[in-house]
Amino acid sequence: NAGVTQTPKFRILKIGQSMTLQCTQDMNHNYMYWYRQDPGMGLKLIYYSVGAGITDKGEVPNGYNVSRSTTEDFPLRLELAAPSQTSVYFCASTDGTGMTEAFFGQGTRLTVV
Amino acid sequence: RKEVEQDPGPFNVPEGATVAFNCTYSNSASQSFFWYRQDCRKEPKLLMSVYSSGNEDGRFTAQLNRASQYISLLIRDSKLSDSATYLCVVTLNDYKLSFGAGTTVTVRA
Repeated sequence: NAGVTQTPKFRILKIGQSMTLQCTQDMNHNYMYWYRQDPGMGLKLIYYSVGAGITDKGEVPNGYNVSRSTTEDFPLRLELAAPSQTSVYFCASTDGTGMTEAFFGQGTRLTVV
Repeated sequence: RKEVEQDPGPFNVPEGATVAFNCTYSNSASQSFFWYRQDCRKEPKLLMSVYSSGNEDGRFTAQLNRASQYISLLIRDSKLSDSATYLCVVTLNDYKLSFGAGTTVTVRA
């Protein structure tokens, strides 16, 4: 059982480049999330999805886009990378009941130079 | 005011010691409460859920105080392997997870 799989684990981008962070889960969870974590800070919600075809903004959505065409996949797109987007990104999923744990991917360390 | 606030620490304790710390939350409608553990910027992993009556899991005890809007975590007989950052997580409804910034615990030999 793979759980939540994120790729890539590390990436260096130049300012203005674009990239997609991939996230897939095999637990049939309806709820999926993208967080970023800056040094010494908690996780901040970028976008979330409550099911295929439904996405919504979190606390810090500017500079990012998402799509949810299937239950399993929830990619995060950075269109014009900026140094402020240097962070560690985590994808997570839950069953949506609010009573059970959230499962996280291993994270993507992104540096924008 | 932040939704979830934690004492960042660090708490530096010797092996075998007891360490305890709190987390406060701002929304009285919060429904579920959890402690997650995070090692060296790896992904957070569930340590334990926090129930209204309080609960234990081995050396770990979690308490919830709804009146004062805080939860606590106590670690007894600390081990070197307990060194980590402990994240307080509060759910407002079925999808919204709010994370504290974490409390760092370092257990020394």
